[in-house]
Amino acid sequence: QVQLQESGPGLVKPSETLSLTCTVSGYSISGDDYWGWIRQPPGKGLEWIGSLYHSGSTYYKPSLKSRVSISVDIPKNQFSLRLTSVTAADTAVYYCARSGDYGEGSAFDIWGQGTMVTVS
Amino acid sequence: SYELTQPPSVSVSSGQTASITCSGDKLGNKYASWYQQKPGQSPVLVIHQDRKRPSGIPERFSGSNSGNTATLTISGTQTMDEADYYCQAWDSSYVFGTGTKVTVL
Repeated sequence: QVQLQESGPGLVKPSETLSLTCTVSGYSISGDDYWGWIRQPPGKGLEWIGSLYHSGSTYYKPSLKSRVSISVDIPKNQFSLRLTSVTAADTAVYYCARSGDYGEGSAFDIWGQGTMVTVS
Repeated sequence: SYELTQPPSVSVSSGQTASITCSGDKLGNKYASWYQQKPGQSPVLVIHQDRKRPSGIPERFSGSNSGNTATLTISGTQTMDEADYYCQAWDSSYVFGTGTKVTVL
């Protein structure tokens, strides 16, 4: 059974860097899948942040690209999110998720439970 | 940037059919997916590639996509289907819809 679990600080100061890790269990992160980060501000909708393939290929939402980096740690079966220069607008629940492919026709079929990050 | 618009809310009587729309420019030329999100929980994929149901999703959930509109249909709606629903498509990046709150009366 594939499970994803986000971890990281729940509180980040403005202008600092938000760092989160997603630990994948029950499945190899080196499989033929993509791994993504999605966030949801309180009371609002979902926003894709970026995705990664285990080879290290990364894809980011254009409007966040200058502040985002996603990386993979294959031995630990984890992938991570870094978001720099955060503001209150970055306050959200952050989800990690799996997609079987990337791009047209792909969807996020497994999600983590989410972790709330407050910028204050 | 590409936008997907959904009605903020849909109400349906228990046992009836709920239809949730998702509108976007030439959306019918893209694949649409749908997610269900209950309060305090993570989203769950209920439809992908317009009309495919993942394993474990009840048959009462179905999807279609044509023209500028994708539609999620819940037949014989149950109380447990009360949730927020989000559509999603791809336009050089993943785009999510504005979300629809489904209330079962």
